[in-house]
Amino acid sequence: EVQLQQSGPEVGRPGSSVKISCKASGYTFTDYVMNWVKQSPGQGLEWIGWIDPEYGSTDYAEKFKKKATLTADTSSNTAYIQLSSLTSEDTATYFCAPLLQWPSGFAYWGQGTLVTVSS
Amino acid sequence: DIRMTQSPASLSASLGETVNIECLASEDIYSDLAWYQQKPGKSPQLLIYNANSLQNGVPSRFSGSGSGTQYSLKINSLQSEDVATYFCQQYNNYPNTFGAGTKLELK
Repeated sequence: EVQLQQSGPEVGRPGSSVKISCKASGYTFTDYVMNWVKQSPGQGLEWIGWIDPEYGSTDYAEKFKKKATLTADTSSNTAYIQLSSLTSEDTATYFCAPLLQWPSGFAYWGQGTLVTVSS
Repeated sequence: DIRMTQSPASLSASLGETVNIECLASEDIYSDLAWYQQKPGKSPQLLIYNANSLQNGVPSRFSGSGSGTQYSLKINSLQSEDVATYFCQQYNNYPNTFGAGTKLELK
């Protein structure tokens, strides 16, 4: 059974950074890219980017290129997203979602991690 | 980036009714379209992929159709558990982009 366990809620001060984790199980972590999606409060969904855990290659949506850094640890089957230079616009829930079938949408999602930016 | 225009933004329907939600892409996405259901505080759930393929485990009252730039999600015989927000997503081009969502409520 595919499971994605994300780390708990984070509070970050403006200008600081936070790092969220997503531990994957139930499939071969290195065989599939991991995507990250942002959902601002009461808003829609924005695709941030993906990482190929095997090679470490990444692709980002243009607006997140200076905001997000995706990494992966194949020894622990865990993907990470680091958000830097936090502003109030980064307050949102962040989801991880591996792409396990292509072409397709995201059949599996983490439970989401709420990041709150507050001084 | 491909723009996904979803309508209506909100919808009120009665139990047993048929509901349609539309998604218009700013360019041809060749049926690379998914539909999701999201309930408050939960992660999105994939309902339909490739415009008209039902994801395993999703009730058959959900169906998708469309091609080119125009797509729709149909819910037959609306049930109380279908109250949720629905999103479309194109994955033909990166960045993947989503519609703004349709909030479905019971009348």
